Amino acid sequence: DVVVTQSPLSLPVTLGQPASISCRSSQSLVSSDGNTYLNWFHQRPGQSPRRLIYKVSNRDSGVPDRFSGSGSGTDFTLKISRVEAEDVGVYYCMQGTHWPRTFGQGTKLEIK
Amino acid sequence: EVQLLESGGGLVQPGGSLRLSCVGSGFSISSSGMTWVRQAPGMGLEWVASISATFGNTYYADSVKGRFTISRDNSKNTLYLQMDSLRAGDTALYHCAKGTSNVDFWGQGTLVTVSS
Repeated sequence: DVVVTQSPLSLPVTLGQPASISCRSSQSLVSSDGNTYLNWFHQRPGQSPRRLIYKVSNRDSGVPDRFSGSGSGTDFTLKISRVEAEDVGVYYCMQGTHWPRTFGQGTKLEIK
Repeated sequence: EVQLLESGGGLVQPGGSLRLSCVGSGFSISSSGMTWVRQAPGMGLEWVASISATFGNTYYADSVKGRFTISRDNSKNTLYLQMDSLRAGDTALYHCAKGTSNVDFWGQGTLVTVSS
């Protein structure tokens, strides 16, 4: 199985400051169709996860442009340019290239 | 507007069975492929099973293989998860989600508690 490892697991951030989360996979996530299926989700307490980014760097509709995704192969990053109060919660990456699908452990973002 | 509504959760004894349902609206589940993901209390997300769009191929996590069955009824635009031989470790909030590679929209989930 592809192991997906996120870091850090806890991320205290000051409002207005940038934040970055790393997601590394044990195998390349480049699919046979040429796409890289790496998704990023945000889960607020008591809510379902909401997808922010798909295929590494594509922002979903309605997602603020302060969120960006980058990376390739086995190494990926989610960046928030300026953290706002509504960004608190847990962030997960998920690989959709290999079976079984696998999630990272989650990164809990909190405001300092 | 895409909506997913899960149902069928509840309290069941170890060794028992439950069938979860997920009704989709605003899109066709047969053309999207669908996924079940679970989240144990206070824990992270765990992929459970998926069914592909075109041919309905099914895929399972090792932890549920042989015990759970994912299926769909295209005429009802409904996804199912038949769960047999349930264990305490299956206790979780079960979400259905649209897609299999680019999983995008999630339902609110239905809670399954396995306890005697």
